Amino acid sequence: RKEVEQDPGPFNVPEGATVAFNCTYSNSASQSFFWYRQDCRKEPKLLMSVYSSGNEDGRFTAQLNRASQYISLLIRDSKLSDSATYLCAVNKGGGADGLTFGKGTHLIIQP
Amino acid sequence: GAVVSQHPSRVICKSGTSVKIECRSLDFQATTMFWYRQFPKQSLMLMATSNEGSKATYEQGVEKDKFLINHASLTLSTLTVTSAHPEDSSFYICSARDRTSGVNEQFFGPGTRLTVL
Repeated sequence: RKEVEQDPGPFNVPEGATVAFNCTYSNSASQSFFWYRQDCRKEPKLLMSVYSSGNEDGRFTAQLNRASQYISLLIRDSKLSDSATYLCAVNKGGGADGLTFGKGTHLIIQP
Repeated sequence: GAVVSQHPSRVICKSGTSVKIECRSLDFQATTMFWYRQFPKQSLMLMATSNEGSKATYEQGVEKDKFLINHASLTLSTLTVTSAHPEDSSFYICSARDRTSGVNEQFFGPGTRLTVL
């Protein structure tokens, strides 16, 4: 099993729709979870941290399910500018803070 | 937000040469910086963890003698790719963690695209 798995997509979604991604991780020692956004040939930009209680930032909502070892990202009222690759990242745990990334989910918002 | 710079943004070099990449945290102090690389259509892979004033910790499979890391201050870490070969061509990205933050949020530099001919 890969350490961090994501559906690569692409997800083709009409503007204004709601879209959700899931990400599963295998390392039960991981304690920090993140969603990053990466545009083509650019560096990842932190979208949000993910907490057990769930968190929301505007149109974006993230959830963590430790029992099932997955995290999710929900985007409401999608905009054309949301088109990007969304990377799930978890820390390595055991005192190590380096991140393990998924390959990313490619989202295309269509007008 | 936290800003991380990286220099150079793009390098094209001949096989056998060494390339040095700098990573700086501009508006915060970073006790720990991380070096990743990303091959086309692949995920970011952690290469090493760079701790200020001590030796870097390398991930399995990453040659420490080939990828030299120096973290001499709280705002600067360097990665030197020694005797670069075409298979080292990749997108190298650093990240830094704000030491005053209680959260393990890492902020990435803009990356260095290395092409070895």
